[in-house]
Amino acid sequence: SSVLTQPSSVSVAPGQTARITCGGSNLGGKGVHWYQHKPGQAPVLVIHFDSDRPSGIPERFSGSNSGNTATLTISGVGAGDEADYYCQVWDSNSDHVVFGGGTKLTVL
Amino acid sequence: QVQLAESGGGVVQPGRSLRLSCAASGFIFSNYDMHWVRQVPGKGLQWVAVISYDGGDQYYADSVTGRFTISRDDFKNTLYLQMNSLKPEDTAVYHCAKGPMTAMLDYWGRGTLVTVSS
Repeated sequence: SSVLTQPSSVSVAPGQTARITCGGSNLGGKGVHWYQHKPGQAPVLVIHFDSDRPSGIPERFSGSNSGNTATLTISGVGAGDEADYYCQVWDSNSDHVVFGGGTKLTVL
Repeated sequence: QVQLAESGGGVVQPGRSLRLSCAASGFIFSNYDMHWVRQVPGKGLQWVAVISYDGGDQYYADSVTGRFTISRDDFKNTLYLQMNSLKPEDTAVYHCAKGPMTAMLDYWGRGTLVTVSS
């Protein structure tokens, strides 16, 4: 099945832009979804189908996907954005949902 | 609004069974595929299983195939996960989630903790 590779951690200063990558074979041909997960809370969908924002998600969250890499971009990062972020695809070859390993975003 | 509430977690010995439930509200449950996803303490999210909106299709992660069974009761708006032959490595917080089988999981519950230990 698909393997999705994320950096284990990303650190940014408040107000700056965080970029979290998700790598996988021919990822640009699949719909990539992104989740924010804070400890003890339910994960929240922040981007679906590469770049679409669900209702209620701030415009600061955006996504892109091309070639073998999808990217979640969070602009104007604040302390409230500290969380683990996961990318996800559906692997049609195995009929499995696949998650990346997750990236811990730290706001310095 | 959409609400998903898991229950049934606890401490269980290796080899024993446990059934998790997920009570759904705020949407037409019978219209949607439903998933179970787990998180081992200190690790990332791991997909466990999905059931189609009509219950006709189920798919499982390789690590639980043959041991876990996902099911649903549309009259009770409830999703289930029957877990048999539990192993210590099944220790995790188990989340239920709503979403198209081949796309995103758009709403999640907060999870229930399962601890497999002697």
